[in-house]
Amino acid sequence: GQQLNQSPQSMFIQEGEDVSMNCTSSSIFNTWLWYKQDPGEGPVLLIALYKAGELTSNGRLTAQFGITRKDSFLNISASIPSDVGIYFCAGRDRGSTLGRLYFGRGTQLTVWP
Amino acid sequence: GAVVSQHPSRVICKSGTSVKIECRSLDFQATTMFWYRQFPKKSLMLMATSNEGSKATYEQGVEKDKFLINHASLTLSTLTVTSAHPEDSSFYICSARARARNTEAFFGQGTRLTVV
Repeated sequence: GQQLNQSPQSMFIQEGEDVSMNCTSSSIFNTWLWYKQDPGEGPVLLIALYKAGELTSNGRLTAQFGITRKDSFLNISASIPSDVGIYFCAGRDRGSTLGRLYFGRGTQLTVWP
Repeated sequence: GAVVSQHPSRVICKSGTSVKIECRSLDFQATTMFWYRQFPKKSLMLMATSNEGSKATYEQGVEKDKFLINHASLTLSTLTVTSAHPEDSSFYICSARARARNTEAFFGQGTRLTVV
């Protein structure tokens, strides 16, 4: 199956700092998604990207679909304590049946007040 | 917005018994539902994909006789863990997707299963 490499695995930052995480795939994707998961909850979609080069923002979050179609990044600006959680990238390739997603291993974000 | 409700959120059962987990799409018709398993501090592992009215497609290594999936209607899918054992203890999450293009799946809240 597809391999998604997400980094970093964890981040410890101070409130107000900016955060950047990225994800690379072993093959071309036509969709990149970024999710956040709080403890004991299901993932919540943050940003969806459908075109190479696309740059999309959602409040303090910005994500881009890499032009090679094999990577994506997520930036969080001016982090706040409620940003704490696990962030997952996910992608879909042309061969994905029924919209199946492949997930990265997650980035655990800790924000110190 | 669209909501997917998963029930129960937590369940404890004895070894050898079966447990059913429900996944409902509350305000849209979910033509496709996905079931995932997540180990602590790990990513989501897809177990199976189901389309309404057809048999589920299981991922390699997932026992279909142990993890029974039924997608009987456009708003309900169920996962039954049969003859549960302690190693089946995990966090199970469903997601549901509507038919429209570029519509992403919404995830349920997850079910924490503990087998004792």
